[in-house]
Amino acid sequence: EIVLTQSPDFQSVTPKEKVTIICRASQSIGSSLHWYQQKPDQSPKLLIKYASQSFSGVPSRFSGSGSGTDFTLTINSLEAEDAATYYCHQTSNLRRTFGQGTKVEIK
Amino acid sequence: EVQLVESGGGLIQPGGSLRLSCAASGFTVSTNYMSWVRQAPGKGLEWVSVIYSGGTTYYADSVKGRFTISRDNSKNTLYLQMNSLRVEDTAVYYCARESYYDYYAMDFWGQGTTVTVSS
Repeated sequence: EIVLTQSPDFQSVTPKEKVTIICRASQSIGSSLHWYQQKPDQSPKLLIKYASQSFSGVPSRFSGSGSGTDFTLTINSLEAEDAATYYCHQTSNLRRTFGQGTKVEIK
Repeated sequence: EVQLVESGGGLIQPGGSLRLSCAASGFTVSTNYMSWVRQAPGKGLEWVSVIYSGGTTYYADSVKGRFTISRDNSKNTLYLQMNSLRVEDTAVYYCARESYYDYYAMDFWGQGTTVTVSS
């Protein structure tokens, strides 16, 4: 099983600040890494596919980078509506896995 | 418009069985990879199972041998048969489409159905 480890687990951020979330894979997964946003009592929503490609309709302040084992989700100029938990997810292996999540709170 | 609607959740005793359904519209289930993902109360997302367009299936170790993923092409519906349920299977269960064009990222999700395993 490929283990995805996100850091940090929690981040409290001021609006307009930049947010960086890291996802590390236990083995190389190429670029088969995706990012989701989940707000309370809602289903997850796809933000970034294949490490760095924005999904349709996602605001440009969200971006992704990385390959192999180290990946980053960046939120430039955080807005209040971005308060959520963010998950990374790999589809390199037959058995998909998710990171444990990073909760972003607005100060 | 792509839509996924889960149903079939409820309260069940340990050791019992339940079948979840995920009715799809706006696309064809049989030509896509489809996954079940669950989320225990206050916890993160856990991948449960996937069925490929060709019919091949895979399961998380935590459910292997107890859960079965399947689909009915005529109804355009995905299923998850859950047997020998345990307290730790309590969760919201989501179905999701894995898009070939999005490198199998889960581009559409249902609203979820809640399964509670308790005596």
